[in-house]
Amino acid sequence: LAKTTQPISMDSYEGQEVNITCSHNNIATNDYITWYQQFPSQGPRFIIQGYKTKVTNEVASLFIPADRKSSTLSLPRVSLSDTAVYYCLVGGQAAGNKLTFGGGTRVLVKP
Amino acid sequence: SAVISQKPSRDICQRGTSLTIQCQVDSQVTMMFWYRQQPGQSLTLIATANQGSEATYESGFVIDKFPISRPNLTFSTLTVSNMSPEDSSIYLCSVERPPNEQFFGPGTRLTVL
Repeated sequence: LAKTTQPISMDSYEGQEVNITCSHNNIATNDYITWYQQFPSQGPRFIIQGYKTKVTNEVASLFIPADRKSSTLSLPRVSLSDTAVYYCLVGGQAAGNKLTFGGGTRVLVKP
Repeated sequence: SAVISQKPSRDICQRGTSLTIQCQVDSQVTMMFWYRQQPGQSLTLIATANQGSEATYESGFVIDKFPISRPNLTFSTLTVSNMSPEDSSIYLCSVERPPNEQFFGPGTRLTVL
């Protein structure tokens, strides 16, 4: 399973855009990149998933360069409620694919 | 999506005792996963539970310590046996929804004294 590296923490302010970059240098050809969000005292929640280029949903955007050795999660106009830990994971899409969580990035949104 | 509930939500236990954690899903699922999250740490997969077969444990986790049951497609239990303070963690179950999304329960916060 590809290992991921993310910043330990990031601070931001309400209304700003937050970009979290994840490195996954040994990503395999069939691996997808998935981001989860975890609030205190809750289980992780799926945010977004992509394979290449750009993916956007109602919550975030995911940018993946051509070499796929890194990816960037972009959270537009964050609010205080976006304070959470964000995990980047890589893995295949076969049924029963085991998730390997890295250290995650603790994002603190300040007023 | 999937609605997952866990019981108990939290517990405080004495050293040497065992605790069984229940995980209930609102729909049938093939695979269920059990994770541990130690204080301030990331999640670590304990085992994968398929209905009708023995659970598959990850390195560092054994069946004698963490026996798992999977009696049907909507329910699973994880037992933490002969507990020590090092077992104090949040235990989470999750289920898989294709193509590659997992839904997590709210977790069970265990404190061992």
